[in-house]
Amino acid sequence: SQQGEEDPQALSIQEGENATMNCSYKTSINNLQWYRQNSGRGLVHLILIRSNEREKHSGRLRVTLDTSKKSSSLLITASRAADTASYFCATESGNTGKLIFGQGTTLQVKP
Amino acid sequence: SQTIHQWPATLVQPVGSPLSLECTVEGTSNPNLYWYRQAAGRGLQLLFYSVGIGQISSEVPQNLSASRPQDRQFILSSKKLLLSDSGFYLCAWSDGVAGGRTDTQYFGPGTRLTVL
Repeated sequence: SQQGEEDPQALSIQEGENATMNCSYKTSINNLQWYRQNSGRGLVHLILIRSNEREKHSGRLRVTLDTSKKSSSLLITASRAADTASYFCATESGNTGKLIFGQGTTLQVKP
Repeated sequence: SQTIHQWPATLVQPVGSPLSLECTVEGTSNPNLYWYRQAAGRGLQLLFYSVGIGQISSEVPQNLSASRPQDRQFILSSKKLLLSDSGFYLCAWSDGVAGGRTDTQYFGPGTRLTVL
């Protein structure tokens, strides 16, 4: 069964606006990660937040984690056309050594 | 620095033909290795993962198999391809974390497989 579910499935904004994507999951986690995928390419790791952390920043990215609600959000501030891509959350649970990915949010940033 | 290679980049194969996709990692030792499949417009489905040479865990029943003949080599195979095997195949590695956990995964460029 799918662990992470992103919302919305698709998002279209103008350059300069902020983009917010949400991820919900079902079981307790060790960490939650966000990845980016440009069309037809491999995934690139953006940021990892551990279960004992509530917020993390990396450049124009801000990730929050609410373990009580089993949800996370990714905020991209001052978006650029180059941010156009699909964004996936992934969770790691237990001692499985594996990540479970959501279905992704497709972000389009219009110049 | 670490790098991950996948080949071929694209592949068109007839139904019933065999398959061999290769993934190699450089610059690290004893990595966890992963094979994922991605259908068009969808998320990633974990197919196999390996925490060491000869150790393969299968996530979904299918006509695919995986092998890890060397520490940094991961191979995805099939004896007879099905139409449903078409997709984008991604290999990834991560450092093995004590206790069998994983942190960041690093992905290869992927192989686009079309079965006709």
